[in-house]
Amino acid sequence: DSGVTQTPKHLITATGQRVTLRCSPRSGDLSVYWYQQSLDQGLQFLIQYYNGEERAKGNILERFSAQQFPDLHSELNLSSLELGDSALYFCASNPGQGSDTQYFGPGTRLTVL
Amino acid sequence: QKEVEQDPGPLSVPEGAIVSLNCTYSNSAFQYFMWYRQYSRKGPELLMYTYSSGNKEDGRFTAQVDKSSKYISLFIRDSQPSDSATYLCAMTISRGGGSNYKLTFGKGTLLTVNP
Repeated sequence: DSGVTQTPKHLITATGQRVTLRCSPRSGDLSVYWYQQSLDQGLQFLIQYYNGEERAKGNILERFSAQQFPDLHSELNLSSLELGDSALYFCASNPGQGSDTQYFGPGTRLTVL
Repeated sequence: QKEVEQDPGPLSVPEGAIVSLNCTYSNSAFQYFMWYRQYSRKGPELLMYTYSSGNKEDGRFTAQVDKSSKYISLFIRDSQPSDSATYLCAMTISRGGGSNYKLTFGKGTLLTVNP
């Protein structure tokens, strides 16, 4: 158990809908990272937050957004969902500055029908 | 050309075999290298971390980095059925929470160790 929690575990929704994925980082970690994992693309970095501020962006679509709250939990919002958004979404965390690696949560499996 | 290339396998070996997993990369700016293990329907878990060329050993696992060839490897000795998982290589340009810290992953190699 990495100490990173994610909810929900599974999410099934329809095209065009909007969903919110939630992540609680390990105790004391200030940085949160979001990744998308699909069969064809592998694990792709989406976005990073550090202590409430956006720090880096990767291959994140404009329909997706994220935020990190004062208690350091983070939410990833996915809107106007398409079939191709079906994937595993992982959150990872680390203390931030000077950290060597990231610790991953169990993921949220999103199915768009 | 993808930044990180990893043979997806699948790789099937008998219990006790030595397993070799490899990744190549194109971006010479990568300085820190990791191997993650991911069991089915679980999140990736860190196995090994290295930041210099050479070998690093941890129990049955050895990570090898050759920066001149842009090639990294993970060796598993005396493989066990419990090692059956997907192995992902990952790398990053810099440490810390800066904008270059995102991990770039290989697609993963699916390993099955048969009893």
